[in-house]
Amino acid sequence: DVKVTQSSRYLVKRTGEKVFLECVQDMDHENMFWYRQDPGLGLRLIYFSYDVKMKEKGDIPEGYSVSREKKERFSLILESASTNQTSMYLCASSLTRDNEQFFGPGTRLTVL
Amino acid sequence: AQKITQTQPGMFVQEKEAVTLDCTYDTSDQSYGLFWYKQPSSGEMIFLIYQGSYDEQNATEGRYSLNFQKARKSANLVISASQLGDSAMYFCAMREFGSSNTGKLIFGQGTTLQVKP
Repeated sequence: DVKVTQSSRYLVKRTGEKVFLECVQDMDHENMFWYRQDPGLGLRLIYFSYDVKMKEKGDIPEGYSVSREKKERFSLILESASTNQTSMYLCASSLTRDNEQFFGPGTRLTVL
Repeated sequence: AQKITQTQPGMFVQEKEAVTLDCTYDTSDQSYGLFWYKQPSSGEMIFLIYQGSYDEQNATEGRYSLNFQKARKSANLVISASQLGDSAMYFCAMREFGSSNTGKLIFGQGTTLQVKP
């Protein structure tokens, strides 16, 4: 079974802090994605990556950056956290662009 | 622009009955895929079922089936014989496969389903 893990289930940070959210998949998938989920808005894509060291902006990249130094790991970085970044963050991976995406358990981030 | 609409914020169904969750989509692409995911209270998104735009038959996976009506641009999820464990949020999503095939999914707002004993 594909396993996608995220470093934290719950995280509380202060405004202005730099925040790292880590995602690891164990099935040698090419593609990895970061979404945020907010009530009434569904999931919105922040960034995605097709391969190591490659990244593409999604629909809401402002305030975020990403890093993919190894194929199995995709990190989401909030350079200076703000209260409007309080949300549930979900990481996903897929074997290719055409396959279904497998999701991690999510990180619920609160920025105070 | 591509869009997914789920008009039912919340639904109730009696245990053992069938329920239909609505999903309509908008795309100008001829080639696309439609997905349904389940999100229990634990938070993890679970893939349920997939329908390709060129698939002639409606997709089925166990108790899940997808009522695909291409002309109406709808892709409703039907859950038969509901179980208490089906209580969750359900998301419809779409991927376009044309020249803009980025692999990304567009999600609807979600429908919360509660199964009553």
